[in-house]
Amino acid sequence: GAVVSQHPSWVICKSGTSVKIECRSLDFQATTMFWYRQFPKQSLMLMATSNEGSKATYEQGVEKDKFLINHASLTLSTLTVTSAHPEDSSFYICSATVRGRGRGAGAQFFGPGTRLTVL
Amino acid sequence: QKEVEQNSGPLSVPEGAIASLNCTYSDRGSQSFFWYRQYSGKSPELIMSIYSNGDKEDGRFTAQLNKASQYVSLLIRDSQPSDSATYLCAVNMMTTDSWGKLQFGAGTQVVVTP
Repeated sequence: GAVVSQHPSWVICKSGTSVKIECRSLDFQATTMFWYRQFPKQSLMLMATSNEGSKATYEQGVEKDKFLINHASLTLSTLTVTSAHPEDSSFYICSATVRGRGRGAGAQFFGPGTRLTVL
Repeated sequence: QKEVEQNSGPLSVPEGAIASLNCTYSDRGSQSFFWYRQYSGKSPELIMSIYSNGDKEDGRFTAQLNKASQYVSLLIRDSQPSDSATYLCAVNMMTTDSWGKLQFGAGTQVVVTP
């Protein structure tokens, strides 16, 4: 259980284009989803927290107009990188969690990640 | 001051030996604690969760929690080359304002040598 998928697994795009990444919880309803970015040999960096039906909360220093997050349902969140530039090239990972106090409570379950390369 | 601290390593462990990873956290309100394994180029995978003081065993993994000392550890018994990865300690306060948000340590790289 607690499977999270991401699509696409990798994408190459030209500078100035927009890229959409989908994150789905396959076997559970995710009350909250998170988006992370990770550069090579660096730590996970939380970009934003997304709750179904409400606006995402962005971490300090993350441009909300550049990284658009939509959490339309309890199983789907999307991240759109708008007007991508080479410095946006990174490994983007989503995670999902379920509110509750049972086994696994508070854990985040990660998707496999999306590797973005902007030329 | 970092909220969750781990030794970065690399921690070199002979095959078959026990790998011991440590993690300290600063927030006494923290209520749930997790260990994730991350292979190079892959996303993190949850391997252990622990919520109360003491030991919790799952296969070759044992998590230990001491809330008074604000300390969490992970033991990997009978280490295998496939255990070579970065291990992330994560802490969740589980309060209304920050529910679900995890504070991650920088990770400890483990290298199991045949």
